[in-house]
Amino acid sequence: DAGVIQSPRHEVTEMGQEVTLRCKPISGHNSLFWYRQTMMRGLELLIYFNNNVPIDDSGMPEDRFSAKMPNASFSTLKIQPSEPRDSAVYFCASTMKIGDRGRSDTQYFGPGTRLTVL
Amino acid sequence: GESVGLHLPTLSVQEGDNSIINCAYSNSASDYFIWYKQESGKGPQFIIDIRSNMDKRQGQRVTVLLNKTVKHLSLQIAATQPGDSAVYFCAANNADRYNQGGKLIFGQGTELSVKP
Repeated sequence: DAGVIQSPRHEVTEMGQEVTLRCKPISGHNSLFWYRQTMMRGLELLIYFNNNVPIDDSGMPEDRFSAKMPNASFSTLKIQPSEPRDSAVYFCASTMKIGDRGRSDTQYFGPGTRLTVL
Repeated sequence: GESVGLHLPTLSVQEGDNSIINCAYSNSASDYFIWYKQESGKGPQFIIDIRSNMDKRQGQRVTVLLNKTVKHLSLQIAATQPGDSAVYFCAANNADRYNQGGKLIFGQGTELSVKP
């Protein structure tokens, strides 16, 4: 299995530009999570999807952030416009969750996208 | 709100010694706990997990202990090797009455350094 795939691995952009991060979860997994990691705040959950439906987006910082999951094998996290404080490593993770009341299970992380906003 | 915290941000051990990394959680309804290892420049990697119906689980050179009474879990690494140097995170599921158990709350991480 290729594991969770993220692209790009590194992104450097200027303030005000739009940034799109991409994620392909592990085949067969039905839950997908977007995290942000910084030295100051650690690993923060931004949003997660179950069966392509957003379940909890309470961690999304503000309206500049949006996430979509058009199908079971692809998700995007978009920042528009980007700001220097968005600089961080963004991780995508996936897992298999059975039903709405399914138990928690291991989340498998991708390699991350290191975003630098100048 | 729920929180997960580690007792020490850094831990330095001698190669060959055993390492113990501790973690506390606040949500008594949490029923799933997991330890991750993160090496520099990589994503968190699953090490071992445990459910609340157990108090101990062993893997290869690693053991997780869960004490639900005091809401504490620990990761023990036997015969620590240089390759074990990394940041270790504990996480607990954010269980609530709606049992949307997919959400994990992560601690801040403990950086383990192994001296040769």
